[in-house]
Amino acid sequence: DAGVIQSPRHEVTEMGQEVTLRCKLISGHNSLFWYRQTMMRGLELLIYFNNNVPIDDSGMPEDRFSAKMPNASFSTLKIQPSEPRDSAVYFCASSRTVSLNTEAFFGQGTRLTVV
Amino acid sequence: QQQVKQSPQSLIVQKGGISIINCAYENTAFDYFPWYQQFPGKGPALLIAIRPDVSEKKEGRFTISFNKSAKQFSLHIMDSQPGDSATYFCAARTETSGSRLTFGEGTQLTVNP
Repeated sequence: DAGVIQSPRHEVTEMGQEVTLRCKLISGHNSLFWYRQTMMRGLELLIYFNNNVPIDDSGMPEDRFSAKMPNASFSTLKIQPSEPRDSAVYFCASSRTVSLNTEAFFGQGTRLTVV
Repeated sequence: QQQVKQSPQSLIVQKGGISIINCAYENTAFDYFPWYQQFPGKGPALLIAIRPDVSEKKEGRFTISFNKSAKQFSLHIMDSQPGDSATYFCAARTETSGSRLTFGEGTQLTVNP
């Protein structure tokens, strides 16, 4: 298995532009997490899906952020309009919620820079 | 109550030494405590994990010590190697949160040759 695949790996965009980050889950996994990592705030959970349904989106910063799971293996995180303070590394992670010891597997992240 | 506090923020150790990273939590409902290791440019990866029904778990050079009454747990890296240089995150999870993890702030470990 190729693991969790994120694209793009790097994104540089101008303030005000729309940004879409993509994530492909590991086959058979049914939970999907979007995290944001910054030096100041560490790893923050943005949103959590289980079986394609958003369970907890309390970490989504504001209405400019939206996430979807159009199918069981794919997710997008969209920022519209983007702002410089959105610059961070965004990770998605997937897991199978079949036991308490289920491991979350992270992708390699998307480094977003908004100028 | 959902927070996990981690210290130190950074740690420098000589090769062969012991690296110790500490975490504390408040939520007594947490029942699974993993440690993640992250190398530059990579996502975090599970290193070792413990449940609160045991006080210690060892895997190779890595050991988790768990103190349920103090609500603290720590990662010990014995015989630290330069290849261990990375950022380490402790985390915690409750049964009701599924796989949703609450992470500590992270510790940047540097092992000098």
